[in-house]
Amino acid sequence: DAGVTQSPTHLIKTRGQHVTLRCSPISGHKSVSWYQQVLGQGPQFIFQYYEKEERGRGNFPDRFSARQFPNYSSELNVNALLLGDSALYLCASSLDPWPDQPQHFGDGTRLSIL
Amino acid sequence: GENVEQHPSTLSVQEGDSAVIKCTYSDSASNYFPWYKQELGKGPQLIIDIRSNVGEKKDQRIAVTLNKTAKHFSLHITETQPEDSAVYFCAASHSNTGNQFYFGTGTSLTVIP
Repeated sequence: DAGVTQSPTHLIKTRGQHVTLRCSPISGHKSVSWYQQVLGQGPQFIFQYYEKEERGRGNFPDRFSARQFPNYSSELNVNALLLGDSALYLCASSLDPWPDQPQHFGDGTRLSIL
Repeated sequence: GENVEQHPSTLSVQEGDSAVIKCTYSDSASNYFPWYKQELGKGPQLIIDIRSNVGEKKDQRIAVTLNKTAKHFSLHITETQPEDSAVYFCAASHSNTGNQFYFGTGTSLTVIP
């Protein structure tokens, strides 16, 4: 079975641009979460979506937004990119949004801002 | 919110020895504690998890222990092998924050052949 798939794998943008990252969850998983991982640190929670609705939001500015589609795939959008947005963006899926559900991660999108 | 601290940040062991990584958490409402292994260029891979109603869980060479009173949990890897070399992250989540995971800062484990 396919795991969590993310695209693209790498992306280079310049300051002020906009970016869209995509995620397909494991088949049967209805909840998708997004995390930002800066080099040398643990992942930080950005959003969780379940049944197309936002279920949680981390401490990130409004430049970050996301959505989930009827097939449970998801997009993360970041506007007005800053140098500090350079990071590995990880998508994780779980069967449902409950607190004790294991999350399975994709390999991420490496975003570099010049 | 929750604060998860992880120690040590780096750990080197000889092949065949045991490795122990420790984490503490701040919020007594946390009730789920997964451990992830992250290899270079890859996403975190779930290796073991424990829920707050259990004190210990084992899966072959990997075990996790949880002390709710002291609010700490540990990962134990026995008979380490070179392929165990990676960065390991602990995490915590609790019912008040849905499925949001709070991660530690990671431990870079090197197993020396």
